[in-house]
Amino acid sequence: QTVVTQEPSLTVSPGGTVTLTCASSTGAVTSGYYPNWFQQKPGQAPRALIYSTSNKHSWTPARFSGSLLGGKAALTLSGVQPEDEAEYYCLLYYGGAQLGVFGTGTKVTVL
Amino acid sequence: EVQLVQSGAEVKKPGESLKISCKGSGYSFTSYWIGWVRQMPGKGLEWMGIIYPGDSDTRYSPSFQGQVTISADKSISTAYLQWSSLKASDTAMYYCVRHYYDSSGAAVDYWGQGTLVTVSS
Repeated sequence: QTVVTQEPSLTVSPGGTVTLTCASSTGAVTSGYYPNWFQQKPGQAPRALIYSTSNKHSWTPARFSGSLLGGKAALTLSGVQPEDEAEYYCLLYYGGAQLGVFGTGTKVTVL
Repeated sequence: EVQLVQSGAEVKKPGESLKISCKGSGYSFTSYWIGWVRQMPGKGLEWMGIIYPGDSDTRYSPSFQGQVTISADKSISTAYLQWSSLKASDTAMYYCVRHYYDSSGAAVDYWGQGTLVTVSS
C-alpha cells in the first residue's frame, strides 16, 4: 500500500517562510505524480492551492508556491500571514492520474 | 460559478443502507471526473474513488473497492456514494470533488461542502 508522508507539524513566525514536503513510499516524486496541495482550516472543507507541481489556481495567493525538492514535492509559504495557520495536505497521483493518494497532512502554526 | 452541492447530514444505524449525493453546476458535468474523499473524525483525507459522468467509467481506491458504490446520473448532474450495509467505522465527513487530467496535468480543484455521516446504534 502506497504511503505519502508529510511533516506532522511546522511552526513559522508571521512574515516568515516555511517549506512543507511530500514524500512517496514508492520513491522519488516527479512531475508525473502531478502533486497537488490543499489547505484545510478547522470546520471547513479543504481548498485547492496548487496543481501539477507548481501551477496556481486563480484564487491561490501569490505567497504560495509549489516545486520539487530533493525527490519530494514541496509547498513554500513566503511572507506567512496569521490566516495561513491551517492543515495542509498534498495529493499524489498514481496509475495514470486515476488513483490519488493524500499525504498525512502538516499542521502549520503561525506564532 | 462552479459549485458542488452535497446532500445533508445523515444519522444511521449499523447495517442500514445509505446513498448521499453531490450535484454539480456551473460547468459541463459530463466533461470532468467527480471523486469522493473520506475524512474520519480528527483524521486526514482519504481518496475513495472517481467517476466520469460522461460514460460512468469508475475507478476505486483499493481500500474502498467493494465497500462502497460510486455512481452518477448525468441527466441531473448528480453523483452518488452509497453503502449497502453501514458500519460504525463509516462515521466520517465525505466530500465530493471535481477532478480532471489532461495534457497539462491533473488536479482536484473544487470541493463540495461535505456530508457528515454518523453511524451509531
